[in-house]
Amino acid sequence: EDQVTQSPEALRLQEGESSSLNCSYTVSGLRGLFWYRQDPGKGPEFLFTLYSAGEEKEKERLKATLTKKESFLHITAPKPEDSATYLCAVRENTGNQFYFGTGTSLTVIP
Amino acid sequence: DTGVSQDPRHKITKRGQNVTFRCDPISEHNRLYWYRQTLGQGPEFLTYFQNEAQLEKSRLLSDRFSAERPKGSFSTLEIQRTEQGDSAMYLCASSLPEMTVLYGYTFGSGTRLTVV
Repeated sequence: EDQVTQSPEALRLQEGESSSLNCSYTVSGLRGLFWYRQDPGKGPEFLFTLYSAGEEKEKERLKATLTKKESFLHITAPKPEDSATYLCAVRENTGNQFYFGTGTSLTVIP
Repeated sequence: DTGVSQDPRHKITKRGQNVTFRCDPISEHNRLYWYRQTLGQGPEFLTYFQNEAQLEKSRLLSDRFSAERPKGSFSTLEIQRTEQGDSAMYLCASSLPEMTVLYGYTFGSGTRLTVV
């Protein structure tokens, strides 16, 4: 079965301290890898889609990259408002469901 | 359009009772998905509809669970004879097929179910 593993489970950063979140995946054929942000008590909010190895996407302080086996979400100079759980999901070539990882809970301390 | 709407936001029920949740997707989206998320876990797929047709169901969806989308617009998810293990956040999402790969789904804020 397809598998998505995220690490670390939790991450505490000082404001301005850059870091990266990891998403490792195994699928028979990748149709897309998705990053979502989820705030407490809310549904996931779409951030990025990546399709092929070498691809990069950026949005404000976030940058997502993709290799054949993993994706990284780089957070540059984070602010407290970046605190959330970041979820990674994959969609394979066949089927319509997304397979989610367990997420990384990010806390940015002022 | 205000996005995907779910009702109620919270539901507390006694074990053995039946519960029903409603999801109103973004109006032009013909695909609708139900996911379940327990604390500390990522969302898990339950089922999805294209228009009124239920096209796929997860093995997680036991006989006690049923979902409908009678007119291809809103959807309901019913859980019969609830068990404590059903306690979770139930998330609804919608999309257009050609946009899913580009933008993923749009999720609602979920219904938090607590079975006591």
